[in-house]
Amino acid sequence: DGGITQSPKYLFRKEGQNVTLSCEQNLNHDAMYWYRQDPGQGLRLIYYSQIVNDFQKGDIAEGYSVSREKKESFPLTVTSAQKNPTAFYLCASSPGRTLNSGNTIYFGEGSWLTVV
Amino acid sequence: QKEVEQDPGPLSVPEGAIVSLNCTYSNSAFQYFMWYRQYSRKGPELLMYTYSSGNKEDGRFTAQVDKSSKYISLFIRDSQPSDSATYLCAMTRGNTPLVFGKGTRLSVIA
Repeated sequence: DGGITQSPKYLFRKEGQNVTLSCEQNLNHDAMYWYRQDPGQGLRLIYYSQIVNDFQKGDIAEGYSVSREKKESFPLTVTSAQKNPTAFYLCASSPGRTLNSGNTIYFGEGSWLTVV
Repeated sequence: QKEVEQDPGPLSVPEGAIVSLNCTYSNSAFQYFMWYRQYSRKGPELLMYTYSSGNKEDGRFTAQVDKSSKYISLFIRDSQPSDSATYLCAMTRGNTPLVFGKGTRLSVIA
């Protein structure tokens, strides 16, 4: 079954700890994205990658890190430097490197991170 | 001024009503416009995709883009309780990531 798989669905983290959220896609999509969603804030872009071994910062990259060693995988690490990490994290992918000619992005089911 | 403005609602309508959801934007370079639907605690799903100005219809849903006014709309006809969700507008120049509105929360009351 093709799609975008995020894990874990729910995660609790103690303050000061790093945590890694997994995102895997079997759609053969070139580009992958990480968004953060807070109540009343909409979706804000953290990082995106248009090709393996390359990625760009989005609007709120501070306190996060990513890697893109394989086309199918784009893990997000929430570091202890992220001051307010409790949020809903969404991974997405798109077929092409750019969002034109009918390309758009498709989302996973999200991961809830709570700092306790 | 934010790049994309969307009234967060909530918007509550009776079943069968016509719903109008709107976004305004400031960047005239945006060419591609999308609407996503997001159910509670789920990832957004693509509902409508429109290129440049004009209308697009898909079943009970119609998307309109007016680039001269920098205004996009989503109309839902014969609204159903299953349409209750948050609706997000999104747009891009094409070579940049999507920029999202904050989303409008819609409730359709049976």
